[in-house]
Amino acid sequence: AQKVTQAQTEISVVEKEDVTLDCVYETRDTTYYLFWYKQPPSGELVFLIRRNSFDEQNEISGRYSWNFQKSTSSFNFTITASQVVDSAVYFCARRNRDDKIIFGKGTRLHILP
Amino acid sequence: DAGVIQSPRHEVTEMGQEVTLRCKPISGHNSLFWYRQTMMRGLELLIYFNNNVPIDDSGMPEDRFSAKMPNASFSTLKIQPSEPRDSAVYFCASSPGGNSYNSPLHFGNGTRLTVT
Repeated sequence: AQKVTQAQTEISVVEKEDVTLDCVYETRDTTYYLFWYKQPPSGELVFLIRRNSFDEQNEISGRYSWNFQKSTSSFNFTITASQVVDSAVYFCARRNRDDKIIFGKGTRLHILP
Repeated sequence: DAGVIQSPRHEVTEMGQEVTLRCKPISGHNSLFWYRQTMMRGLELLIYFNNNVPIDDSGMPEDRFSAKMPNASFSTLKIQPSEPRDSAVYFCASSPGGNSYNSPLHFGNGTRLTVT
């Protein structure tokens, strides 16, 4: 199966530290899309970012940044100057042209005050 | 836009009972997905529809699970008979679909199912 692997099950950092969440994916397709979602304690799933396989530019949005490296099949997510409100489970996902979206098992992030 | 609407938000039922979960996708979205979330298995894709047609139901655990999409604005996921191991949060999601497979999924708030 073409998996999405988030090797870090749980991470705890102190507020204001930077933290990087890893995501490694498998795919046989040349065209695919990668996503990150956030699931706060309230339980909803919130879309954060999308990246297509032809665009390897990194992206920054406020304190969030994403590093896509096709050579290593990785799409890592960094939170700079973390805040308590960043505490959540973060999911990486891959979507191929067949429309299925496969999620990683998530990384639970604890930001300690 | 009201977003994806799921009902009920919580369901508690006894083993052996039939459970029906409901979903209204975002208007204009052609793809609809049902996911199940548990601590052990994370987010699992159960089934998805394109233009009301089931495309892939390989994630449906067993024959006790069935899903329908009678029209573009409504889908159900039914479990009959329910078992305690079906306890989970069930999410419905929609996206524009078709050639818009670069579109993110828009999730409902989920239904938390507890089978006792």
